[in-house]
Amino acid sequence: EVQLVESGGGLVQPGGSLRLSCAASGFTFSSYWMSWVRQAPGKGLEWVANINEDGGRKNYVDSVRGRFTISRDNAENSVYLQMDSLRAEDTAVYYCARGGSHSLWGQGTLVTVSS
Amino acid sequence: DIQMTQSPSSLSASVGDRVTITCRASQGISNYLAWFQQKPGKAPKPLIYGASSLQSGVPSKFSGSGSGTEFTLTISSLQPEDFATYYCQHYNSYPLTFGPGTTVDI
Repeated sequence: EVQLVESGGGLVQPGGSLRLSCAASGFTFSSYWMSWVRQAPGKGLEWVANINEDGGRKNYVDSVRGRFTISRDNAENSVYLQMDSLRAEDTAVYYCARGGSHSLWGQGTLVTVSS
Repeated sequence: DIQMTQSPSSLSASVGDRVTITCRASQGISNYLAWFQQKPGKAPKPLIYGASSLQSGVPSKFSGSGSGTEFTLTISSLQPEDFATYYCQHYNSYPLTFGPGTTVDI
């Protein structure tokens, strides 16, 4: 089955860190750019970061650049998002998505930043 | 950054209606435009890529058109399961950005 499954979300205090994972299956993972997209409670969608097929190119939205790091392991068919210096405004459901047009999405994982 | 706007922000329609949602980009994006459907508590579902190409498995009642700065998503005959919020998104340059969404009430 073609799918993406996110994990790693949870409750973290402001200033803390969290690492999200996204496991891919059912398609040739190493052939696709991969993105992280987030959605704050009751709000719209916001693209966070993406990474190219071999991990050599990465792009970030300004609000997370320098705090979040995207990476991938093609041997494990997984993409990751290391989130440091978390803020309350990072509270959201985080989705991983495939390709530039986001043709496949996972179910999401909730990150709550609160004291 | 390219700003995406959508109109209307919400609409009410009846089963069987033809519905059109407009998405505008603040600068030209060629055809690097995707559309998504999202229901409450669920992940977005991809509908359209390349402005007019249907994603695999998406029914043909959905269609997209446009190029440059103005795009439309049309649902030819609205059904109860089409109650949802619809988002456009460009992938022409960074940062990738989404429109604010259009909520369709049946």
